[in-house]
Amino acid sequence: GAVVSQHPSWVICKSGTSVKIECRSLDFQATTMFWYRQFPKQSLMLMATSNEGSKATYEQGVEKDKFLINHASLTLSTLTVTSAHPEDSSFYICSARDWTSGRRYEQYFGPGTRLTVT
Amino acid sequence: GENVEQHPSTLSVQEGDSAVIKCTYSDSASNYFPWYKQELGKRPQLIIDIRSNVGEKKDQRIAVTLNKTAKHFSLHITETQPEDSAVYFCAAFIQGAQKLVFGQGTRLTINP
Repeated sequence: GAVVSQHPSWVICKSGTSVKIECRSLDFQATTMFWYRQFPKQSLMLMATSNEGSKATYEQGVEKDKFLINHASLTLSTLTVTSAHPEDSSFYICSARDWTSGRRYEQYFGPGTRLTVT
Repeated sequence: GENVEQHPSTLSVQEGDSAVIKCTYSDSASNYFPWYKQELGKRPQLIIDIRSNVGEKKDQRIAVTLNKTAKHFSLHITETQPEDSAVYFCAAFIQGAQKLVFGQGTRLTINP
């Protein structure tokens, strides 16, 4: 149980274009989803937190107009990187949590999306 | 502020020996402390966690200890095996912000 999928697993795009990444909870309802960015040999940096049906809460320094997050249902959240630039190349990982469950603090991670902007 | 310090950044041990990774946190209200193992290019996987009302938890070769007074928690891996080689992250749940804050990670290498 508690499986999170992410799509695509990798994507290459040209500078200036937009890319959408999907995160799905497959067997549970994700009351909260998180989006992280991880650069090589670095830790996970939280970008934003989203609750179903609400606007995402962005971490300091993360441009909300550049990284659009939508959490339209209890099983799906999307991250759209708009006008991507080479410096946006990174490993993007989502995670999900079911606050209503007995394991309310536990976060389940997706497999990640490797974004390369050329 | 919200901060989790993890050390060492790299750790190399002989197969069969024990490995210890330590973390300290700043938010005294933190009440949940998970440890994740991440292999190259893969997702972080929860290996063990501990709540603030418990001082120690063990699962086979892995154990975690928590000292709330010192705001310090540690991961202990005994009888290490080559497949334990990975990057390990500690994290603390920040009650006010309702989010996990991660340590910087420890690259553990098990030498055969």
